[in-house]
Amino acid sequence: QKEVEQNSGPLSVPEGAIASLNCTYSDRGSQSFFWYRQYSGKSPELIMFIYSNGDKEDGRFTAQLNKASQYVSLLIRDSQPSDSATYLCALWGYSSASKIIFGSGTRLSIRP
Amino acid sequence: GAVVSQHPSWVICKSGTSVKIECRSLDFQATTMFWYRQFPKQSLMLMATSNEGSKATYEQGVEKDKFLINHASLTLSTLTVTSAHPEDSSFYICSAPEGGASYEQYFGPGTRLTVT
Repeated sequence: QKEVEQNSGPLSVPEGAIASLNCTYSDRGSQSFFWYRQYSGKSPELIMFIYSNGDKEDGRFTAQLNKASQYVSLLIRDSQPSDSATYLCALWGYSSASKIIFGSGTRLSIRP
Repeated sequence: GAVVSQHPSWVICKSGTSVKIECRSLDFQATTMFWYRQFPKQSLMLMATSNEGSKATYEQGVEKDKFLINHASLTLSTLTVTSAHPEDSSFYICSAPEGGASYEQYFGPGTRLTVT
């Protein structure tokens, strides 16, 4: 089982709708969780991090964490064409030897 | 957020030559930096962890004699690809954690290496 699993997509969402990106992880000792956005040919950009159960909102983005279910998600409200990118889920924990563990990413496409 | 720079942003070299890539944390100190490689349409692959003042820690399958890492100061790490071959052509990205409990990673803009 991979440490961080994401659906590779592509996930196609109409402009203005809510895009929902999901991620599951295997290590219950994971402490912090991150969502990165990566445009083609560019390096990843940190969008949000979360380390407590529940929701964390930042503008159009909401991260959700459920440690009991080992599940983290990212919701993008009012999706825009500029949101089209690959979204990487990542985690850090004491058992990961101070390394960030990345998922393989989900390609999101926002159609006008 | 914190700023990490990389130089050069792209480089073309001939097979058999060596290439050095620099990674700098501009507004914070980083005792640890990470080097990743990313092939087209694939995710990031961690190559090694660069530690200031000590040897780098390489991931399994990464040749430490080919990918030389030096963490010269709290703001600079370098990756040297020695005797480069076409299969080393890739997007090399460094990152550094700003620290704190959340352990946020900030990425450099990446270096596109093409070996001819």
